[in-house]
Amino acid sequence: AQSVTQPDIHITVSEGASLELRCNYSYGATPYLFWYVQSPGQGLQLLLKYFSGDTLVQGIKGFEAEFKRSQSSFNLRKPSVHWSDAAEYFCAVGAQGYNKLIFGAGTRLAVHP
Amino acid sequence: NAGVTQTPKFRILKIGQSMTLQCTQDMNHNYMYWYRQDPGMGLKLIYYSVGAGITDKGEVPNGYNVSRSTTEDFPLRLELAAPSQTSVYFCASISWGAGSNQPQHFGDGTRLSIL
Repeated sequence: AQSVTQPDIHITVSEGASLELRCNYSYGATPYLFWYVQSPGQGLQLLLKYFSGDTLVQGIKGFEAEFKRSQSSFNLRKPSVHWSDAAEYFCAVGAQGYNKLIFGAGTRLAVHP
Repeated sequence: NAGVTQTPKFRILKIGQSMTLQCTQDMNHNYMYWYRQDPGMGLKLIYYSVGAGITDKGEVPNGYNVSRSTTEDFPLRLELAAPSQTSVYFCASISWGAGSNQPQHFGDGTRLSIL
């Protein structure tokens, strides 16, 4: 069965610092991978997605993620964090033909001024 | 506007009551999903559907039922509400397919409290 692990429950960074949020997945075939952001009391917003091809994926709000098959990872990065990036971030895995979209437990990002 | 509509947005139930959370999409997506999100937690898949007339269990189906009589609607029913079902419920629709165009939409959520 597919699964997603986000090892970091909470991360705190200073504004302007770089950010990397980790995501590891388990799936037997080539997965579809997603990153979402959720602000308090809000719904989910899709940041970026990977299906195939270039393993470095660009998303909205200056985020990018890199798919590394050998490490079963899909880490989210941003070179310079803004205070407005403080939110909960979720990684998810799905696949055509598998039908399910499974989420990780999330990483809560705090940004210090 | 295209998207997923969930109703109600908020609801308080008493233990043992029943209710149906409504979810409607107007994008003709085959795949629809119900998730619950407990405070400070990720989303857990309750049920999903791959098309009208076809549903299947997700990670946490106990205490819930679903139906999919049309492509547009995917209601979630709680028969005997329990405090453990206090959560925020999200509905989603996705069009899985080949290539990079995989449109997906999430509803705004239904905040349910059971007292």
